[in-house]
Amino acid sequence: QKEVEQDPGPLSVPEGAIVSLNCTYSNSAFQYFMWYRQYSRKGPELLMYTYSSGNKEDGRFTAQVDKSSKYISLFIRDSQPSDSATYLCAMSSNYGQNFVFGPGTRLSVLP
Amino acid sequence: EAGVTQFPSHSVIEKGQTVTLRCDPISGHDNLYWYRRVMGKEIKFLLHFVKESKQDESGMPNNRFLAERTGGTYSTLKVQPAELEDSGVYFCASSQIMGDEQYFGPGTRLTVT
Repeated sequence: QKEVEQDPGPLSVPEGAIVSLNCTYSNSAFQYFMWYRQYSRKGPELLMYTYSSGNKEDGRFTAQVDKSSKYISLFIRDSQPSDSATYLCAMSSNYGQNFVFGPGTRLSVLP
Repeated sequence: EAGVTQFPSHSVIEKGQTVTLRCDPISGHDNLYWYRRVMGKEIKFLLHFVKESKQDESGMPNNRFLAERTGGTYSTLKVQPAELEDSGVYFCASSQIMGDEQYFGPGTRLTVT
């Protein structure tokens, strides 16, 4: 079993839809959770960084962490074609060290 | 402010050859990380420098990989000799303080034939 599981997609949604992206993990020691966005031929770009369980909101993006279920989510409201990218979850047990990435979900937002 | 840069953007070498990848972090960032993504797999951590010192090299796959950061500025990652399974995209990231956001470079795509 992989440490971090993520549906690779592709996921296609119409413009304006609410997008839900998810990761599950097996290591209960993970405490720091991140979501990255990666455009083609570019490096990952950090979107959200949360610690332990709970919700965090930033503009159209909301990150949720449920440590009891070992499940994290990223919601994108009012999705735009410019949101089309691969979304990667990453997590670590130690602050700022040795992130473990999911394989990424490819999202297409259709105009 | 310039972002993290990596050179070359793409390298094609034959099995058994040597390749050196370079990463220039954002100026002033003491923390420098190397990651790689091999075909169809997730991004995996390789190692972490704090200035010129290796903080964590637990992700280095074997002794064919050598990373250096002399002077605590740019870093190089040498693969010698390269094997077919080394093909993938090698990312470098940097952060000012450990735990801060890591800024990723565009990656070097390595193809070993």
